[in-house]
Amino acid sequence: DAGITQSPRHKVTETGTPVTLRCHQTENHRYMYWYRQDPGHGLRLIHYSYGVKDTDKGEVSDGYSVSRSKTEDFLLTLESATSSQTSVYFCAISERGKDNSPLHFGNGTRLTVT
Amino acid sequence: AQSVSQHNHHVILSEAASLELGCNYSYGGTVNLFWYVQYPGQHLQLLLKYFSGDPLVKGIKGFEAEFIKSKFSFNLRKPSVQWSDTAEYFCAVYNQGGKLIFGQGTELSVKP
Repeated sequence: DAGITQSPRHKVTETGTPVTLRCHQTENHRYMYWYRQDPGHGLRLIHYSYGVKDTDKGEVSDGYSVSRSKTEDFLLTLESATSSQTSVYFCAISERGKDNSPLHFGNGTRLTVT
Repeated sequence: AQSVSQHNHHVILSEAASLELGCNYSYGGTVNLFWYVQYPGQHLQLLLKYFSGDPLVKGIKGFEAEFIKSKFSFNLRKPSVQWSDTAEYFCAVYNQGGKLIFGQGTELSVKP
């Protein structure tokens, strides 16, 4: 398995509080992604990064921000958590970020917003 | 916008039955297609991929998929399923913007 560590693995937080999820990789891959997984929706891309300090929005980016100050770390922040952000969040990495490069996924973070 | 559709949301089979999960995509150009599997409580793992060449692709654990360009399909098959194949299966395709987009997933339950 690719060296991807997500932390925390589980988190319960209250509506309105800020939350930061961390993804750490040891593969030195350039591309990193944050997806959320919800029943009936599959996986949806929140944000992605194509290099240090280079990030862009995915299809469900509202309410989320990201930062990448080092190659190995990609942070996802919920500025003010809402119940609709209760989900399982997966980080993924890709060596080339091109359409022939598979993604490798972390173990996920289960976030519950009460 | 490109999309991926998996028409079977939940499939229930008995062991040794044959499996076929449907996947259709909307993009008409060159496509690169993937099937991922997610076992209960685990992360997604790559099952197989198609980039070019032989449209019949073989993956891990006896799975295969056939790319049919005229039907915009990439169906996943396995001749004989096992209880250990119980999982959720996701079809995915790269869109024009270079992002991997996923279908809604198909949950497979195999009864022993």
